[in-house]
Amino acid sequence: DAGVIQSPRHEVTEMGQEVTLRCKPISGHNSLFWYRQTMMRGLELLIYFNNNVPIDDSGMPEDRFSAKMPNASFSTLKIQPSEPRDSAVYFCASSLQGNNEKLFFGSGTQLSVL
Amino acid sequence: GESVGLHLPTLSVQEGDNSIINCAYSNSASDYFIWYKQESGKGPQFIIDIRSNMDKRQGQRVTVLLNKTVKHLSLQIAATQPGDSAVYFCAENMGEDKLTFGTGTQLKVEL
Repeated sequence: DAGVIQSPRHEVTEMGQEVTLRCKPISGHNSLFWYRQTMMRGLELLIYFNNNVPIDDSGMPEDRFSAKMPNASFSTLKIQPSEPRDSAVYFCASSLQGNNEKLFFGSGTQLSVL
Repeated sequence: GESVGLHLPTLSVQEGDNSIINCAYSNSASDYFIWYKQESGKGPQFIIDIRSNMDKRQGQRVTVLLNKTVKHLSLQIAATQPGDSAVYFCAENMGEDKLTFGTGTQLKVEL
């Protein structure tokens, strides 16, 4: 099993640019989560999907953030326009709903907005 | 134990000693708890979980204890090894199939 795959591993961009983060969940998992991690706030849940449908996006900080899951094997998190305060590590995680919510995390995308 | 703020609490232990990492959770209605380990540059990795109808669960070299009366969770690592050095997070399921994470504790294993 390849685990949760995220790309890119690192992203450096300038303020105002669009950023797209990508995630491939573990095959067969039907829940997908996007988290953001910073030293100040720790791990924050941004949004999660069940069966490709967004269930709770209350953690998405602003309208600049959007997430999609067009199919069971792919999701994107987009920031447009990006700002320096968006700099963080963004994690994608997946789980098999009903499996006691045991999340499997990807390696994360380190985002730096200059 | 865990705390809110810029600085992660740090636990330093000697190799071979036992480690105890503590966590205070917030919601008395939470019914499921997990401990995660996060090594530098990696995503959190599942260690062990426990449901609220239990007060103890053991894994390989790890034990989780749950005290619902005081909303306290602890992770015990036996015979701590250098590879155990990482940040450890507790997480609680507050319902709606979501996990809420604590701020983490840095475990440093000294040789």
